[in-house]
This record gives sequence, C-alpha cells and structure tokens, in this order.
Amino acid sequence: GAVVSQHPSRVICKSGTSVKIECRSLDFQATTMFWYRQFPKQSLMLMATSNEGSKATYEQGVEKDKFLINHASLTLSTLTVTSAHPEDSSFYICSANSGGWTDTQYFGPGTRLTVL
Amino acid sequence: SQQGEEDPQALSIQEGENATMNCSYKTSINNLQWYRQNSGRGLVHLILIRSNEREKHSGRLRVTLDTSKKSSSLLITASRAADTASYFCATDAAGNTPLVFGKGTRLSVIA
Repeated sequence: GAVVSQHPSRVICKSGTSVKIECRSLDFQATTMFWYRQFPKQSLMLMATSNEGSKATYEQGVEKDKFLINHASLTLSTLTVTSAHPEDSSFYICSANSGGWTDTQYFGPGTRLTVL
Repeated sequence: SQQGEEDPQALSIQEGENATMNCSYKTSINNLQWYRQNSGRGLVHLILIRSNEREKHSGRLRVTLDTSKKSSSLLITASRAADTASYFCATDAAGNTPLVFGKGTRLSVIA
C-alpha cells in the first residue's frame, strides 16, 4: 500500500526556536496533504490543508504565521512551527491522498514535538 | 470542527469478550472509517465503510453504518490483550477532503 513518511519522528526543542516537520508520500504523488495535531489523550484535529503549488488553507483558530506550511512538490509538504512554546508540544500527523475521489488517506507515523 | 462522537469514552473488558464501540456524526458523509492508535503511536487504518453500505466485516471486526441515524458501530469479537488501544471513527464529506475524527474510545482488554 501507499506509504507516507514523516521526519523527524521525535523532536525536543527550546522555547522560541523553530521546528520543521517533513511529510513525504513515498510511492505516489499527493496533490493534497493534511496536517493534524493531537494533544495527549485527545483526538486528532485538522490544522490545515496543504495544496501543492498554492497556499495552505488553515482551520479556524490555527495561526498561519505560526504554523508555516509549504507544499513545494507533489511528494513533500513541510510544517514549520515558528517560535515554538510549550503549549505547542503535541503529536503532529500528516496524511495524503493522490487527489480526485480516492477514498483512502494515508497517514504518516506522526512527529512528537516537545518544547521545553 | 469535530463532528464525531464515540461512546463509550473508555471500555474495559476481559480477554475473549466482545467489544462494541459506537460513533455518531452530524452531517452527510461520503465514507466512515475506523482507526486504531496505540499509545503515542500513529494511526492504523482498520476498515472503511461507504455511505451506501450498511455492514462490513474484516477478520474479527464488524462495522455497521446507519445513515438515517448518522451512527456507526465497531464490534471486535473475541478480544485479545493486543487489541488494547484507542479507537477513532473518522468521516469525510467527499474524496480528497480532510477526515473529521471522533473523540475516540480507549479500549483496555485485560488478560
């Protein structure tokens, strides 16, 4: 089946620094990727929709200047958490599908971010 | 916004028993999917049921969908300790749209 990878799998950083998370579709081209965030013992919440070649669409309450998304190619989307703070500590998960009416979204394994 | 609601929020059963989890949603859907997540790990896709389907089986899993009630159930038969995880339902309105996840059910299967 299709594979989506994320890098890094785990990152610990100091407050105020920026962290970049990569999401790659390994064996298919993804015109659209989605970024979710999951706080401990909670469900996944959609943060933004990343569209190749155009600006990302952010969900209400998600600061676009804080969570920078770049979908520069059909296989790579990046999420940069700028000036990270402890409250940004969370599990970030991306998903991708190949567009059109494909039913299945393929999820990456997630990135655990801890901001000290 | 999150539209799926699972119940129960937590379920503890003995190994060998059946586990039933329910999910309700608010708007029209294209598909409904169930995922499993072990603590601190990624999602594992379990099963997808389309809006025009009423029941689907996969191994020890049985999923039902009632679009008139906007609800779905996931039945795990003959549960095992390894089934201990959180289970989420997720819906999508159409292809290539983001999934909306329910709050999840934490299942504990005691050996």
